[in-house]
Amino acid sequence: ELKVEQNPLFLSMQEGKNYTIYCNYSTTSDRLYWYRQDPGKSLESLFVLLSNGAVKQEGRLMASLDTKARLSTLHITAAVHDLSATYFCAVDTDKLIFGTGTRLQVFP
Amino acid sequence: DVKVTQSSRYLVKRTGEKVFLECVQDMDHENMFWYRQDPGLGLRLIYFSYDVKMKEKGDIPEGYSVSREKKERFSLILESASTNQTSMYLCASSTYETPGAYGYGYTFGSGTRLTVV
Repeated sequence: ELKVEQNPLFLSMQEGKNYTIYCNYSTTSDRLYWYRQDPGKSLESLFVLLSNGAVKQEGRLMASLDTKARLSTLHITAAVHDLSATYFCAVDTDKLIFGTGTRLQVFP
Repeated sequence: DVKVTQSSRYLVKRTGEKVFLECVQDMDHENMFWYRQDPGLGLRLIYFSYDVKMKEKGDIPEGYSVSREKKERFSLILESASTNQTSMYLCASSTYETPGAYGYGYTFGSGTRLTVV
């Protein structure tokens, strides 16, 4: 059974700080997605990573994929309050299997 | 834009009722999925379909069934609703198009928050 482990589950960080969210998975796949979810809302696609070594950046967020280590990271640079949300990684095996999510709270 | 529409944003049903959650996509996607989302458990796959009249069980199919009579519509059915099916339900669609092409990836509906009382 494919397992996707995401950590930390909860992250409280000060504005201006950096941090990384980790996503480990248990099967071979070279396709991984990151989503953002605001309270009461649906999922917003952030990044689609389609090969080993893929790196994508958008604003203060950068995602990478290491398929050999079965690891993806979402790095937050100089956090701002607007980044407060829940972040999910999801492994694509012709269907998406999600991690449990990381609830990020950024405070002044 | 690819659009996935779920018919209801909020639903309140009684225990034992038969409940239909409808999902329609407008991009001619081959694949459709139903997930439920619960705090601390993330999104879990209930059922999915790769073609019309085809269905596959996901990780938590118990208590649910699905119907896909047309390519654009995928219905989730709770045969006899129970309180432990109170949850947020999300529908998604995807395509086998070339990665990077327009429409590639998974698109999610806005969700249906179901409360069973």
